[in-house]
Amino acid sequence: QSALTQPASVSGSPGQSITISCTGTSSDVGSYNLVSWYQQHPGKAPKLMIYEVSKRPSGVSNRFSGSKSGNTASLTISGLQAEDEADYYCCSYAGSSTDYVFGTGTKVTVL
Amino acid sequence: QLQLQESGPGLVKPSETLSLTCTVSGGSISSSSYYWGWIRQPPGKGLEWIGSIYYSGSTYYNPSLKSRVTISVDTSKNQFSLKLSSVTAADTAVYYCARHPRGAAAFDIWGQGTMVTVSS
Repeated sequence: QSALTQPASVSGSPGQSITISCTGTSSDVGSYNLVSWYQQHPGKAPKLMIYEVSKRPSGVSNRFSGSKSGNTASLTISGLQAEDEADYYCCSYAGSSTDYVFGTGTKVTVL
Repeated sequence: QLQLQESGPGLVKPSETLSLTCTVSGGSISSSSYYWGWIRQPPGKGLEWIGSIYYSGSTYYNPSLKSRVTISVDTSKNQFSLKLSSVTAADTAVYYCARHPRGAAAFDIWGQGTMVTVSS
């Protein structure tokens, strides 16, 4: 099972909106509404930001939103802030034989 | 609140077995609502799911690592453990333990991670 494909980097100015894509296949992203997104600051553990495509855990800012179309999931960060600068990873359930596959990761830079 | 803490040797020799333990505090590992998993991250690289376990002992593993991985649970100690055999330099990584709710396919609480280096 190959990793889900994400852009290596995305950047934006404070206050802008950015979108990170996560492209899989009909065996993972396309088959299940079980995509999650994680934020990881340097030297820290990942933090769950979105689960089940578009649900936000308690305490996560509503500036973070998720969606999915076909085999591609997306994470949108609106009103970009300096603290949003981090690495972001998507993850999808891929069926009982493979279970979980992560994305390649995207570095978000706030200009 | 619930916390997870990884522990184990930071240095393992090639061909030997890597052993790590995750201690769960602030909650019970025997909850029927959650699975408990291991995820790793090689230096400068992305995340890789290793495998997960339910409190009953049922396990499921990443097919690419399945032949070398064993995950077990000790409910009396509120711990679960990872063993990875025949390690090579490619197994050098930060190893995280994490909780994931049944049916949600998301890792909602993570340990801080522990760095394991494979070197002679």
